[in-house]
Amino acid sequence: GAVVSQHPSWVICKSGTSVKIECRSLDFQATTMFWYRQFPKQSLMLMATSNEGSKATYEQGVEKDKFLINHASLTLSTLTVTSAHPEDSSFYICSARVLAEAFFGQGTRLTVV
Amino acid sequence: DQQVKQNSPSLSVQEGRISILNCDYTNSMFDYFLWYKKYPAEGPTFLISISSIKDKNEDGRFTVFLNKSAKHLSLHIVPSQPGDSAVYFCAASSGNTGKLIFGQGTTLQVKP
Repeated sequence: GAVVSQHPSWVICKSGTSVKIECRSLDFQATTMFWYRQFPKQSLMLMATSNEGSKATYEQGVEKDKFLINHASLTLSTLTVTSAHPEDSSFYICSARVLAEAFFGQGTRLTVV
Repeated sequence: DQQVKQNSPSLSVQEGRISILNCDYTNSMFDYFLWYKKYPAEGPTFLISISSIKDKNEDGRFTVFLNKSAKHLSLHIVPSQPGDSAVYFCAASSGNTGKLIFGQGTTLQVKP
């Protein structure tokens, strides 16, 4: 199957700082990628749809100024958590859809202290 | 509004027996359904999918059944193996958006 690589796999940052998470499609081009967040023992919740060359589309309740998404190329989308707070601590996962299947990155465990 | 529901948070079965994981949905516009397996601190791994034009899809030990009239799908794993122990998510999408709506997940434990 298609490979989606996410980096870093885990990060610890201080409250108030910003963190960038990268999502790369390794063997295919993805015009659209998706960013999800999962809190412990909860479902994966879609945060936003990342579109190459255009603005991301955010789901209701997700602050676009806090979660900056950049999809600058067909193989890379980035999610930047700005001014991170402890409540942003979560597991962030990106995915890219190839035909009818969605392939996921390994996920990034963000801990804000 | 939870459009995709997995009402059983956990399931425990004996090795070699059948595991049945259930999923219900409310949005009749969903036309594609997928099952994922997930370990802690890892991304979900695709298992099997089914289009709304089918009622069954089989891949090795995994079979997904879709009952559109009941808006219900299930994942059967037979025979179950200890390595199948993980959290299983069902997901649904509509049209060609690529967006997936996930259920809450069911933790499967297969006992040796």
